[in-house]
Amino acid sequence: SAVISQKPSRDICQRGTSLTIQCQVDSQVTMMFWYRQQPGQSLTLIATANQGSEATYESGFVIDKFPISRPNLTFSTLTVSNLSPEDSSIYLCSVAPHRPGGEAFFGQGTRLTVV
Amino acid sequence: DAKTTQPPSMDCAEGRAANLPCNHSTISGNEYVYWYRQIHSQGPQYIIHGLKNNETNEMASLIITEDRKSSTLILPHATLRDTAVYYCIVRVENGAGSYQLTFGKGTKLSVIP
Repeated sequence: SAVISQKPSRDICQRGTSLTIQCQVDSQVTMMFWYRQQPGQSLTLIATANQGSEATYESGFVIDKFPISRPNLTFSTLTVSNLSPEDSSIYLCSVAPHRPGGEAFFGQGTRLTVV
Repeated sequence: DAKTTQPPSMDCAEGRAANLPCNHSTISGNEYVYWYRQIHSQGPQYIIHGLKNNETNEMASLIITEDRKSSTLILPHATLRDTAVYYCIVRVENGAGSYQLTFGKGTKLSVIP
């Protein structure tokens, strides 16, 4: 199994500012993903973080709002830009092996509150 | 994408087996069934997965019907710590080889003393 360290665990931010969330994995992984969980809702995939290339975003999510970096196979960051109260959610990092039948693992999440 | 259908909530008495059903009638032959759970305010935890055969590990058993259109997660002796939202997910592989998970609403399991 992979051990994922996600920082910060929670933050309170002013609207209009940005928050960068870090995801560190204890082993090299091919696939890294970022999810959002709005209050009382299920998880929604934001994007796939690709090592050495631009992230692949899901419908409804754009790079200007959610820039992602992945400089190597063990680390990624997600920035939530120009914050508004609607961005208040839990953001989760996930990793998965690039093969069928391999389980994905999740970090403990970052709880963001925008005031 | 194959979609899943789960009951929104279930109760189970502590010490009894919890049987959580999932329908995935449009599943294709190379899609796996995964189960995760999310305890309040934590990241999802992997439980078990399978393709065709029944599977068992230290946490649970997964029973997949022969036509693969439905499955059941079994927690053999539920404890209060098993209270969580349980997600049944069919794993999707897109053309670029991105193994993403699509979460539905899940089943809120409440284990009752």
